[in-house]
Amino acid sequence: GAGVSQSPRYKVAKRGQDVALRCDPISGHVSLFWYQQALGQGPEFLTYFQNEAQLDKSGLPSDRFFAERPEGSVSTLKIQRTQQEDSAVYLCASSPIGLAGMNEQFFGPGTRLTVL
Amino acid sequence: KNEVEQSPQNLTAQEGEFITINCSYSVGISALHWLQQHPGGGIVSLFMLSSGKKKHGRLIATINIQEKHSSLHITASHPRDSAVYICAVIRGGADGLTFGKGTHLIIQP
Repeated sequence: GAGVSQSPRYKVAKRGQDVALRCDPISGHVSLFWYQQALGQGPEFLTYFQNEAQLDKSGLPSDRFFAERPEGSVSTLKIQRTQQEDSAVYLCASSPIGLAGMNEQFFGPGTRLTVL
Repeated sequence: KNEVEQSPQNLTAQEGEFITINCSYSVGISALHWLQQHPGGGIVSLFMLSSGKKKHGRLIATINIQEKHSSLHITASHPRDSAVYICAVIRGGADGLTFGKGTHLIIQP
């Protein structure tokens, strides 16, 4: 079956531009996570959804970052007024049940964002 | 100090060698994950542990909750095992994973 997909795979933005990154989780998966991975670093948690509810957004680095999952399936991570420090790979992961990290997570290929 | 520390950061070994990667954490956790990341970014979940030991093929993962330590072992290593291996934990009360910086493993033929 299909895994987690993300689009676009690569995005180049000029500083100050708004971007939207899409995640299609595995069908039926309850939990959805967004992570940010800077070059040469391990991923860092951004936000967590259980169905359409955003239960944890403690990792979002600023109010320029916004995530939604309005129908409990596809999720969008939006970054407003991008800055160079936003350059990173943005990873999406989904999990079949609603116990946050207490289950295997299935990762998408990531979106590599470069802000010039 | 990072909450999740891995060692070594880099490891080069010959095909067939027994590999051990270590992970220590400094916080209370609900579970620990071992992940594999290949060049190009794809991350695959290998194990999720909350106690004891798990085995899958040539991979073995152990965890000692009292000592806050986990190890990932690879038996009969092969060049296709070359990847970054990442330890990640679920901190008590948290939702997302807290990741270590990863161990870059190269297995030479």
